[in-house]
Formats: sequence, C-alpha cells, structure tokens
Amino acid sequence: EIVLTQSPATLSLSPGERASLSCRASQSVSDLLVWYQQKPGQAPRLLIYDASNRATGIAARFSGSGSETDFTLTISSLEPEDFAVYYCQQRSSWPPTFGQGTKVEIK
Amino acid sequence: QVQLVESGGGVVQPGRSLRLSCAASGFTFSNFGMHWVRQAPGKGLEWVAVIFYDGTNEDYTDSVKGRFTISRDNSKNTLYLQMNSLRAEDTAVYYCARDRRQWMVHSIFDSWGQGTLVSVSS
Repeated sequence: EIVLTQSPATLSLSPGERASLSCRASQSVSDLLVWYQQKPGQAPRLLIYDASNRATGIAARFSGSGSETDFTLTISSLEPEDFAVYYCQQRSSWPPTFGQGTKVEIK
Repeated sequence: QVQLVESGGGVVQPGRSLRLSCAASGFTFSNFGMHWVRQAPGKGLEWVAVIFYDGTNEDYTDSVKGRFTISRDNSKNTLYLQMNSLRAEDTAVYYCARDRRQWMVHSIFDSWGQGTLVSVSS
C-alpha cells in the first residue's frame, strides 16, 4: 500500500498570501495524484486530479504540479473561503490511499 | 445537479450490524462506479469499498473484508453498505462518493454525499 505524507501538518497564512502544500509518495504514483478540500462539517470536494487538472468549477488560483513521488498544491492568493484541510490521494496503486491532510489556517 | 444523500447511521453496539444507504439523483447512476469512504472523528479519509457500475465487481479495504458488503440497486438509484460484526474502530462518518468516469473505476471521487455518522459503542 502506498503511503502519502503531507507537509506541513498546519500552514498559517494570511488572506492574499500564496500557499504551497506538499504531498510525497512512498513510491512512484506517476501523475495519478488527486487533491481534495474539506471544510469543517462538510464533505471533501475534488480540486485537482491527475496531478494538474482542475476539476469542474474550481478557481484558477488552485494549481497542482509534480510527478512520481513529489507533488505540490499551490493556492496563488488565499481567499477567506480557502482556509480548510487539504488531502492528497493516489490512484496509481490499489487500494487508493489518502495523505493525512494539511490544515491551512488564518494567521 | 449531482446529489448523493446517505442515511442509516447511528449508535450500535460492538458485534452488531447496520446498513447504510446512499440515494443518488441528478445523473445516470447505473453508468458510474460508486465508493464508500470513511472518516474517523478528527482523523483523515480512508477508502472503504467500491462497486462497479453494473454491480459485477466489488472490492474492500482489508480491515473490513468479510464483514462489510457493498451493493447497489440501479433500478432504485441507491447504493448500500451492509456492515456486520462492527467494531469500535469502525466509528466514523461514512461518505458515498461517485467515481469521476463512467463505466470504469478511476478512483477519482468527484461527488460526495454529506455523510452519515456510525458510532460503535457499548
């Protein structure tokens, strides 16, 4: 089973700042890496699939990059609604697995 | 618009059973693989089970194999999760989620229900 390690655990930033979230895989997942956003009390929402493809309706300030074992989710300029927990997930190897999450909080 | 609505959660004693349902609308349910994903209180996400669009194939995470059964009724646009021999560690919010691609399991979860809480406690 592929283990995904997200860092940092918590990111404290102000609105308007740039956020960079890391996801590292224990072995190569090619580009089969997915990102979700989850706000308190809500279900996760698909943001990015296959490393760099924005899902339908996702704002352009969200972007994904990386391949093999190292991936980054970037939020170019944080909006108030972006403060949430972000999870990565790999779909390269069965079963699909998630990282432990990165919380983006208001500084 | 796609809508997934889970039901059936509650408090149950260890060793007992519970059946979750997920009512789907706003899309052709019979074309999509469906998943259950759970989240223990204050914890991260864990994939639980998948069923193919036509119900011909299914799979489970190791910790629930032999205890949980995923099924679907395409005539009722409903997904199910039968959970037997429940344990304290099964306590979680259970989400149903749609696979992004039709006809195939791609394990990209593009629509989620609001979740239903299962609490296993004596």
